[in-house]
Amino acid sequence: DQQVKQNSPSLSVQEGRISILNCDYTNSMFDYFLWYKKYPAEGPTFLISISSIKDKNEDGRFTVFLNKSAKHLSLHIVPSQPGDSAVYFCAPLKGGADGLTFGKGTHLIIQP
Amino acid sequence: SQTIHQWPATLVQPVGSPLSLECTVEGTSNPNLYWYRQAAGRGLQLLFYSVGIGQISSEVPQNLSASRPQDRQFILSSKKLLLSDSGFYLCAWSDEGPSQPQHFGDGTRLSIL
Repeated sequence: DQQVKQNSPSLSVQEGRISILNCDYTNSMFDYFLWYKKYPAEGPTFLISISSIKDKNEDGRFTVFLNKSAKHLSLHIVPSQPGDSAVYFCAPLKGGADGLTFGKGTHLIIQP
Repeated sequence: SQTIHQWPATLVQPVGSPLSLECTVEGTSNPNLYWYRQAAGRGLQLLFYSVGIGQISSEVPQNLSASRPQDRQFILSSKKLLLSDSGFYLCAWSDEGPSQPQHFGDGTRLSIL
């Protein structure tokens, strides 16, 4: 039962353009949504989050949008930079001390 | 500032051998602690989490176990490793309380031969 789906295993974007990473979920109990960035052979790094009571959260070049009715969220990166090349994981949380439920990730490749 | 340490970074073990992976957190008190595994071609899967010393919750049945002997120490163990235990193991911590981001260590690459 895959509760979190990131349907694009990879995404290639030109430097300076916008990168849009998508995530769909099925569990309506999720109330907090996090995005992580991961480089090879390293642990994931927390990037940005959004509470279920909001529909948008912005932090510098990163913006996350949440559509609760569609159970869909997206991460926008603009402008995209070479250092953004990494695997991005969507990770909803049900609150409390429960662990994160991770998607399989999207490999973002920023082309010069 | 808070830091999290995992060791070893890589480990090659024969089938049937025991396992002990250690994780420590510095710069915080009463953290929630987590063990995750990423198997080849799959997403990160939560294995165990702990909200306090001696308190361990298991998410999936397996031949692994976890212990928290001290507030900021989390240990992942096995008495007899299986081939299917190969993967990338990650420890994470978060502040206590709901909806807190988790912060990950650099992981241990475990290969079972």
